[in-house]
Amino acid sequence: EAGVAQSPRYKIIEKRQSVAFWCNPISGHATLYWYQQILGQGPKLLIQFQNNGVVDDSQLPKDRFSAERLKGVDSTLKIQPAKLEDSAVYLCASSPGRDTSSYEQYFGPGTRLTVT
Amino acid sequence: ILNVEQSPQSLHVQEGDSTNFTCSFPSSNFYALHWYRWETAKSPEALFVMTLNGDEKKKGRISATLNTKEGYSYLYIKGSQPEDSATYLCAMGRGSNYKLTFGKGTLLTVNP
Repeated sequence: EAGVAQSPRYKIIEKRQSVAFWCNPISGHATLYWYQQILGQGPKLLIQFQNNGVVDDSQLPKDRFSAERLKGVDSTLKIQPAKLEDSAVYLCASSPGRDTSSYEQYFGPGTRLTVT
Repeated sequence: ILNVEQSPQSLHVQEGDSTNFTCSFPSSNFYALHWYRWETAKSPEALFVMTLNGDEKKKGRISATLNTKEGYSYLYIKGSQPEDSATYLCAMGRGSNYKLTFGKGTLLTVNP
């Protein structure tokens, strides 16, 4: 079974530029998550989708971050404009959905963003 | 605010040593505790999901225990190998949308 795919793996941009990350979850997984992991911190949930609807975006800085999950499959996370403090690893994860017993989340390899 | 704490922050051991880490979490409204291993440049890998007080799980040389009443979990590695070098993350899951809150992780380095 293919895992969660993410691209790009690395990105370096200057502050005030825009950037977009892409995630392809495990086939059939209804729930998709985007996490931000800043160096020295644990991953922090930015947004959670159930199919193509947003379940939780309470920690997403909506003035500069946006995310979408068209057709309930792939997802894109965008930052516009980027700030220095956005430098982090952006992790995408998926899980089968709320009707399973394990709630296990499967992670992609992440995108390491450096803002200079 | 839900705080999940992990200790130590980092750990250096010699090959063959056994080691353990701690994850502490609020015991109220507990649903499940997850352990992940995250090697550099790879995807975080799920190790264990535990839900019951007193639960003990094992995977090869790695095992974990859970105490939901006092709010802690231990992860043990027996006979550490260099390939065990990674960041070990714990996360508490709860809420109607089943949200994971992570600790900061323990960075383990095993020297050959």
